[in-house]
Amino acid sequence: NAGVTQTPKFRILKIGQSMTLQCAQDMNHNYMYWYRQDPGMGLKLIYYSVGAGITDKGEVPNGYNVSRSTTEDFPLRLELAAPSQTSVYFCASRRTLNTEAFFGQGTRLTVV
Amino acid sequence: GQQLNQSPQSMFIQEGEDVSMNCTSSSIFNTWLWYKQDPGEGPVLLIALYKAGELTSNGRLTAQFGITRKDSFLNISASIPSDVGIYFCAGQHIQGAQKLVFGQGTRLTINP
Repeated sequence: NAGVTQTPKFRILKIGQSMTLQCAQDMNHNYMYWYRQDPGMGLKLIYYSVGAGITDKGEVPNGYNVSRSTTEDFPLRLELAAPSQTSVYFCASRRTLNTEAFFGQGTRLTVV
Repeated sequence: GQQLNQSPQSMFIQEGEDVSMNCTSSSIFNTWLWYKQDPGEGPVLLIALYKAGELTSNGRLTAQFGITRKDSFLNISASIPSDVGIYFCAGQHIQGAQKLVFGQGTRLTINP
């Protein structure tokens, strides 16, 4: 049982490049979340999903896209990377609304 | 939006001292979660609260779900060096409960 797995752990992108941050969970959780954490700040919700095929915007969705074709995977796509997207990205999942959320180890992204 | 205000933003204490931090919301929450984040890691759950007035302990940690459902506090007794880190409150609003939003964090530093 690996929990929540994020790849890659680190990445450097040039402005305008695109990439997909991968997130997978093997706990059969319905709810999945993407957060970004800027230096010295809290976690801001980017997108979330309540189940396969269903996604919705969080607090800071601009510049990102998500999909949820399976229960296990919830990739986050950056189409045109900008320096403002330099951050640490965390994926999380939970089984139901009244249970704890488990977090991945994070992806540290730098856009130059 | 669902704003969470967490205070204090940082604390510098001596080993052995007690610590108290809190979160407040402008709206009613039905779940409060307290997480700790170590450097380079994802947040890890400390305590979960699901009922107004609930007081829960986990070793030296105690947290309470405020009666008004708009606040929560976390206390750490007899702090030790491994308590160093960033502590986050997280909650879900009674409406739009699918979203899990986080406070700005409290950075705890301990002088031995």
